[in-house]
Order: sequence, then structure tokens, then C-alpha cells
Amino acid sequence: EAEVAQSPRYKITEKSQAVAFWCDPISGHATLYWYRQILGQGPELLVQFQDESVVDDSQLPKDRFSAERLKGVDSTLKIQPAELGDSAMYLCASRSRQGDYGYTFGSGTRLTVV
Amino acid sequence: GENVEQHPSTLSVQEGDSAVIKCTYSDSASNYFPWYKQELGKRPQLIIDIRSNVGEKKDQRIAVTLNKTAKHFSLHITETQPEDSAVYFCAASIRGFQKLVFGTGTRLLVSP
Repeated sequence: EAEVAQSPRYKITEKSQAVAFWCDPISGHATLYWYRQILGQGPELLVQFQDESVVDDSQLPKDRFSAERLKGVDSTLKIQPAELGDSAMYLCASRSRQGDYGYTFGSGTRLTVV
Repeated sequence: GENVEQHPSTLSVQEGDSAVIKCTYSDSASNYFPWYKQELGKRPQLIIDIRSNVGEKKDQRIAVTLNKTAKHFSLHITETQPEDSAVYFCAASIRGFQKLVFGTGTRLLVSP
């Protein structure tokens, strides 16, 4: 079964440092999402890509978060500087262009900011 | 804004009992409603979904019902087993199938 790859699996960083997460969606999936899941809550969308273009980043804290998908394949989410409140699971998901409506999630990156 | 409410937040049942989780959504244009199961420390996994042109869908012990008029949908698990213990999330699509908004989750505990 095809999977969405994410790395690293866990990340501990100090407050004010920079941190980056990587996601490789299922081959051929044009739509890629980054979600943040705070412990005990549901996932919340941070940014949505269609191919290499940002479709929705309305919930992305743009003063410290950035995301890119330069070639329309893999994607990087960056936080700089990290704050204590950024501690969460960062989930990447992908979906094919048409016909398959369900997301497939990656295993996520659990970020702890100390 | 778009909103999905989910109840209850915690549900404890005995093995073999049925479990029902309910969600309501705010966007009348929502047309796709998936349910995800998330075990501790793992990724959410799609267990069943329903589209707006269908009122009910069943897959073995799991079923989902949709009432578009009332804007609510429910997950039904029959003959629960301890391995059903997990957090369950409902979601509703926004802008067609482009974006999912998730509920706050229900922690289901099935006791042997």
C-alpha cells in the first residue's frame, strides 16, 4: 500500500530555534496538506498545495511558519523561530486530483519545543 | 467559519455493545464526510466515508448515517471489540472535496 512519507518522526528543539519537516506524498497525488494536531484535539489545516501552488494558507502563522512545494512533489514546512506553543504533531496528507476523495495521512512529526 | 462539532468526547462501552458517535457541521455545501481512527501515537486512518448523495453506508461492523437536512452524521460500531479502542475523528469537506475540517475527536474505550 502506498504511503505518505514524513521525516523526522520526532523532533525536540529549543525555543527560538528553527525547525523543518519534510513530506513526500503518494506518487501522483497533486494535492498536499499540512495539518497541525495539538494533543487531544482534531487536526487543523495549516496549508494546502495543488501541485506547486498554495491553495489555502489562511490558518498558517506566516510570521513564523513557511511552506513550499517547489517541484509539486515533496514539501517542506518550516518554523522560525519555534515557540513553546508550537509543540504538536505535524501531519502531512495527500490526495489524488480526482476520483479519490479520502486523504492519506503520513505518520507525522511530533515536535516538542523546550 | 466552517465548523464540525463532535460528541461525546469520551465513550466507554463493554465489549459486544454498540457505540455511536455524532457530528454536526455548519457548511450546507459540505458533500463528503469521512471518519478516521487514530491509535495512540499513530496517524489517523480512514475507516469509512460517505458522500452527500447517500444516506447510509455500511462496512462489516461499521456504519455511517447522514442527515443533510439536519446537517449531522453519525458513526455506528456494532459488536465492539477491545481493538476498537482509539480516538475517532469525523470530518466534513469544504469547497467541494478540496478541504476537510475535523471534529474534536471521541476517545472510545472498549472494556473486555
